[in-house]
Amino acid sequence: EVQLMESGGGLVQPGGSLRLSCAASGFTFRTYWMTWVRQAPGAGLEWVANIAPLGDVSYYADSVMGRFIISKDSAKDSLYLQMNSLRGDDTAVYYCARWHFWTPDHWGRGTLVTVSA
Amino acid sequence: SYDLTQPSSVSVSPGQTARITCSGSVVTNQYARWFRQKPGQAPVVVIFKDNERPSGIPERFSASTSGSTVTLTISGAQFEDEADYYCYSATGDNRGIFGGGTKLTVL
Repeated sequence: EVQLMESGGGLVQPGGSLRLSCAASGFTFRTYWMTWVRQAPGAGLEWVANIAPLGDVSYYADSVMGRFIISKDSAKDSLYLQMNSLRGDDTAVYYCARWHFWTPDHWGRGTLVTVSA
Repeated sequence: SYDLTQPSSVSVSPGQTARITCSGSVVTNQYARWFRQKPGQAPVVVIFKDNERPSGIPERFSASTSGSTVTLTISGAQFEDEADYYCYSATGDNRGIFGGGTKLTVL
């Protein structure tokens, strides 16, 4: 069974940084693209970033380009999202998901990030 | 930039057919997907590639494409189908985009 579990969310001040983690199990992590998707309170889903199986290529939404970095450690079956220069509009639940056939097909339960002074 | 447009809400009586549309330049049958999200839960894919339904998704869920519009059809909607539904498409350059979401009310 595919399982994904995010951690690392919390309260951070504007301009601060936070690193999210996602522990994966139940599939061969090193062979899959992975993705982060976020959802602001009461709002819709927003695709944030993708990373290739080997971690050598990544893509970002314009809203986070230059501030967020997606990475993966296949030795630890873990996905990460380093978030820098955080702003109020980054407040959201952040989901990690496996990206299969261009689709986030399995999702974690999410971790809440709140950016506020 | 890409954009997917969905109606903000759709209402249907139990047993009737609900249709939710999604329009946008990147929408194609090859890449369009549909997700269901119930309150407090993570999204779940209900229509996968080639209009496949993942295991556990009832047969009443289907999708079709006409031009740049994809439509999610729920034939014989049930109370349990009440949720937010999002269309999604890969953009062809290893990125993704979601529609704004449609709140389906079954009453």
